[in-house]
Amino acid sequence: AQSVSQHNHHVILSEAASLELGCNYSYGGTVNLFWYVQYPGQHLQLLLKYFSGDPLVKGIKGFEAEFIKSKFSFNLRKPSVQWSDTAEYFCAVNSGGYQKVTFGTGTKLQVIP
Amino acid sequence: GAVVSQHPSRVICKSGTSVKIECRSLDFQATTMFWYRQFPKQSLMLMATSNEGSKATYEQGVEKDKFLINHASLTLSTLTVTSAHPEDSSFYICSARFRGSYEQYFGPGTRLTVT
Repeated sequence: AQSVSQHNHHVILSEAASLELGCNYSYGGTVNLFWYVQYPGQHLQLLLKYFSGDPLVKGIKGFEAEFIKSKFSFNLRKPSVQWSDTAEYFCAVNSGGYQKVTFGTGTKLQVIP
Repeated sequence: GAVVSQHPSRVICKSGTSVKIECRSLDFQATTMFWYRQFPKQSLMLMATSNEGSKATYEQGVEKDKFLINHASLTLSTLTVTSAHPEDSSFYICSARFRGSYEQYFGPGTRLTVT
């Protein structure tokens, strides 16, 4: 069975600080990886995704994530956060094909102006 | 594109009654829809997967007689919580996927409160 762990539950950063949110998954086969964001009062939106190819994936709003197969990781990064990045971030994994997506427990990011 | 709506956004019902939540894909045909439950400060828990025209596949531990899912068309799936209890109070979120896509598009969620 696939599982996803996000080690940071609550992160507080000042504006312009760099961000890295950890995500590790457990599944030995081919995976599709996602980061979703949920802004306060809004629904989940896709931030970026990895299916294959270049392991460094760029998403919306300056976010990027790197798939490191040997570490089973897909960490989310942003070089300089803004107050508007305050949200909850979910890592998710799908084990290829059209199987279900498993979500991590989420990381609440609070950016202080 | 790829917009998913849910109705109602909030519902309060009395214990023992049933409540239906609708999930619609507004601008695409959703061959697969998913229903999730999100507890406070926790992640999304997949309840069931439904494919148009066939019975839903429920995750382990989810009572299919209590959470009835119907995916009658390519744009509509419904979740009916039967004989609701206060512990069914939660945030229910649906998502939809169209044929050939791995991505899921999420609805805004429905807050159910059972009194």
